[in-house]
Amino acid sequence: DAGVTQSPTHLIKTRGQQVTLRCSPKSGHDTVSWYQQALGQGPQFIFQYYEEEERQRGNFPDRFSGHQFPNYSSELNVNALLLGDSALYLCASSLVGLNSYNEQFFGPGTRLTVL
Amino acid sequence: AQSVTQLGSHVSVSEGALVLLRCNYSSSVPPYLFWYVQYPNQGLQLLLKYTTGATLVKGINGFEAEFKKSETSFHLTKPSAHMSDAAEYFCAVSLLAGTALIFGKGTTLSVSS
Repeated sequence: DAGVTQSPTHLIKTRGQQVTLRCSPKSGHDTVSWYQQALGQGPQFIFQYYEEEERQRGNFPDRFSGHQFPNYSSELNVNALLLGDSALYLCASSLVGLNSYNEQFFGPGTRLTVL
Repeated sequence: AQSVTQLGSHVSVSEGALVLLRCNYSSSVPPYLFWYVQYPNQGLQLLLKYTTGATLVKGINGFEAEFKKSETSFHLTKPSAHMSDAAEYFCAVSLLAGTALIFGKGTTLSVSS
C-alpha cells in the first residue's frame, strides 16, 4: 500500500517565478492538507482540500493556491516566489470518517529553494 | 487561538536514560493532541495521539504521553533511550478531527552512547 507521495523531491527557483508541487494521497484517503516547514521550525498549516474544495486555510497570502483533482491528488501553487518561501513543503492525507479520528499521514516533502 | 509550546529546543540523554520531552498547549476547548517524529530528510511520522478516553497514551517505539488537562500539558516519555531515537520531535494540537494541525517548534533529541 503506497503512502503519501510528493513530487518533485527538490526544486530550485529564482525570485518572482512560479512553482507547482504535487501530492498523491495514501490509498483510500480523500482529504489533503499542505504545510510549510521552514528550516529549524515546526510545520505551518497552509490549507486543506476536501471534495475538490478548499475547506480550511491558514495564514498564508493569496500567492499560495491549490487544487484537488477528482482522484484526490492535489497541487500547491506558489506565485511570485520570495526568498522566504524557501522551505520543506509537506503534504498530508486523511480520510473523513464518522466515528474515527482522521489521522493525517505525511509525505516525505518537497524541498524548495528560492534564489 | 490554539498554540503549542515545546520547552527545550534541544534535549541530550545517554543511551538507556529516561527521555522526557515537554509540551504545553493553549486551547479554548479540549483539543486533540499528537506527537510526531521527523528523521533527517524525511516527513513526519505519528508517534501517538490523544483524542478521547484514557489520558495515558501509548505509542510506537516504546513512547508514551499523558494528557493533563489541569496543567495543559502532554509530555512525551520513554523509559530507556536508544540511539535510533535521535530525531526531531514535534507536539501538535487540533481542535476538530481532521482539521489543521498546529505544531510546536520542535525538540531535537540527541542520544549519546
